[in-house]
Amino acid sequence: GAVVSQHPSRVICKSGTSVKIECRSLDFQATTMFWYRQFPKKSLMLMATSNEGSKATYEQGVEKDKFLINHASLTLSTLTVTSAHPEDSSFYICSARAIRAADTEAFFGQGTRLTVV
Amino acid sequence: GQQVMQIPQYQHVQEGEDFTTYCNSSTTLSNIQWYKQRPGGHPVFLIQLVKSGEVKKQKRLTFQFGEAKKNSSLHITATQTTDVGTYFCAEGAQKLVFGQGTRLTINP
Repeated sequence: GAVVSQHPSRVICKSGTSVKIECRSLDFQATTMFWYRQFPKKSLMLMATSNEGSKATYEQGVEKDKFLINHASLTLSTLTVTSAHPEDSSFYICSARAIRAADTEAFFGQGTRLTVV
Repeated sequence: GQQVMQIPQYQHVQEGEDFTTYCNSSTTLSNIQWYKQRPGGHPVFLIQLVKSGEVKKQKRLTFQFGEAKKNSSLHITATQTTDVGTYFCAEGAQKLVFGQGTRLTINP
């Protein structure tokens, strides 16, 4: 199946710093990628839809200035957590669906476990 | 957007027992997908159901989509320790919205 690579898998950062997470579709093109956040033993909460070449679409309650999303190419989307705080500590996962293929399975990255100290 | 409610939240069974998780929506779904997430891992696609009343099987797993396309279930027959994980239903033509998940633990 298709592969989505997410990097880094784990990161520890100090409060007030920014962290960038990369999500790459390795063997298919994705005009749209999705960013989720998952708390321990909880479901995946959709944060935003990343659109190649245009602005991301954020879900209600998600701060766009806090979670910056850039989708510069058909294979790469990045999520930057700016001015991180301990409450931003979480598991962040990206996913992608193949181009021109709605209603198909989503492929997930391995996830990034962010710890803000 | 639409929201699917998933129950139960947790299920603990003896190895060899059956397991079922259910998803319900107040509105008609265009399709529903099922994912499995192992502890510490990421969600992995299991199946997609599209047609009303559809039933699909994957070895010991049976997936059903209700006649009204408002509910779905995943049934595992004779669970094995490798079935441990959280099972999510998800819906959405573009962006996927996930149910709350059912965490399955198994006593060997």
